[in-house]
Amino acid sequence: SAVISQKPSRDICQRGTSLTIQCQVDSQVTMMFWYRQQPGQSLTLIATANQGSEATYESGFVIDKFPISRPNLTFSTLTVSNLSPEDSSIYLCSVSQTGGNSPLHFGNGTRLTVT
Amino acid sequence: GENVEQHPSTLSVQEGDSAVIKCTYSDSASNYFPWYKQELGKRPQLIIDIRSNVGEKKDQRIAVTLNKTAKHFSLHITETQPEDSAVYFCAASKGDTGRRALTFGSGTRLQVQP
Repeated sequence: SAVISQKPSRDICQRGTSLTIQCQVDSQVTMMFWYRQQPGQSLTLIATANQGSEATYESGFVIDKFPISRPNLTFSTLTVSNLSPEDSSIYLCSVSQTGGNSPLHFGNGTRLTVT
Repeated sequence: GENVEQHPSTLSVQEGDSAVIKCTYSDSASNYFPWYKQELGKRPQLIIDIRSNVGEKKDQRIAVTLNKTAKHFSLHITETQPEDSAVYFCAASKGDTGRRALTFGSGTRLQVQP
């Protein structure tokens, strides 16, 4: 499976600032997704990162709060803007490799704490 | 959209016993059902998956069964070991595998007592 490098692995940010999370894959992948996992909870899809076009957001998530870039088939960023304590979560990049029925694999996640 | 319900939320078994985790889904068009294991502080890792054209799949001590009519699927772990202790998530999606995002269940915390 693809090697997914996500950074930073953790960060502590102040209220009102922003954090950009990077996801780098060692091979071209068709689909990249961003998930949020709040403490002790399940995984919730934020958006699908589309290569060369605007991301597709799930209900409850908006571009102004979670801008996403995907300039090519191996890289994506998620920015969490105007941080509040409620944004404290683990953010996970997930990918599916090109070609047929490939399962989703996850990066190691970014643990964000907002103070 | 899809809704996946998972139970139990916690499960404690003795080492060597079997563990069963059950999930139901709402969208009859869903056709791919993976299970992920997440150890504390780590990423979710795929342990087994099943597609809607089969009813059961096994991989050593792990098996998954699917009942499309009832829209439920289950994870079975036999001969449990302490290293099986983790949170397990079921998920569902439709369309080409990997081209559709997964909807996850709420998770089951499995504790295997030595």
